[in-house]
Amino acid sequence: DSGVTQTPKHLITATGQRVTLRCSPRSGDLSVYWYQQSLDQGLQFLIQYYNGEERAKGNILERFSAQQFPDLHSELNLSSLELGDSALYFCASAGMEWTGRYGYTFGSGTRLTVV
Amino acid sequence: GQNIDQPTEMTATEGAIVQINCTYQTSGFNGLFWYQQHAGEAPTFLSYNVLDGLEEKGRFSSFLSRSKGYSYLLLKELQMKDSASYLCAGQKYSTLTFGKGTMLLVSP
Repeated sequence: DSGVTQTPKHLITATGQRVTLRCSPRSGDLSVYWYQQSLDQGLQFLIQYYNGEERAKGNILERFSAQQFPDLHSELNLSSLELGDSALYFCASAGMEWTGRYGYTFGSGTRLTVV
Repeated sequence: GQNIDQPTEMTATEGAIVQINCTYQTSGFNGLFWYQQHAGEAPTFLSYNVLDGLEEKGRFSSFLSRSKGYSYLLLKELQMKDSASYLCAGQKYSTLTFGKGTMLLVSP
C-alpha cells in the first residue's frame, strides 16, 4: 500500500456520461497530480494541485476538470465521455510543491472503460 | 519540446544484465527519474539522477549525462519478477514528463 488511495478501482460507463474519480494523497503530502495512461500514449500529465491551488496544467481536455479540497483530497471530473477516454487514471502525491529527489508516490489507479 | 525516447521492448535472460536507454531533448529538465511498472499496477520509484554520473542502488543503477540528454537504467542479476515496464521521466520543477516505457521480458 503506497498510502495514496484512489476510488473507484474500476468504472464502466456509457459515452456522453460524466464520472468523478477520487484521490486521497499520502499523509502529509500537499501536492496531487493526475495522469492518464493509455496503451498508445503512455503516462500523460493532466494537472497538478498544491495545497488547494492549481499549480500546473498539462494535456487536460476542456471536458475534464479537477479540484483539491481543504482536506487535501482531490477529484477529477470527466464529462461528455468518449470511447477514447478509456484509460487508467493515476493520482500521485508528493510532499512538496516541487518533486525533489523523491518523485511521486502513485495510487493504484482507476480503470475507466467507456462503452 | 521535451520528448523522451526509449525502446519499446527488450528481452533478456534470468541472471543476465540489461541496459535500458533513454534520450531526451537537453533543454528543460533538471532531473531524471526511473520508475518500474508491472502490468495494471502503479508505477514505483526506482532511481533519481540530478547530476551527471552513476547512481547505484542494489541490483539497479542509473546513469545520467545532461550534456548528451542521455540516461540509462542498468539491471543486474535479472530475476523473473523484473519483467515489467520501465519508465524514464524528466523532471521540470513540479512535474514529471514520462516516456512511453520499455517493456522488459525476462525469460528463464
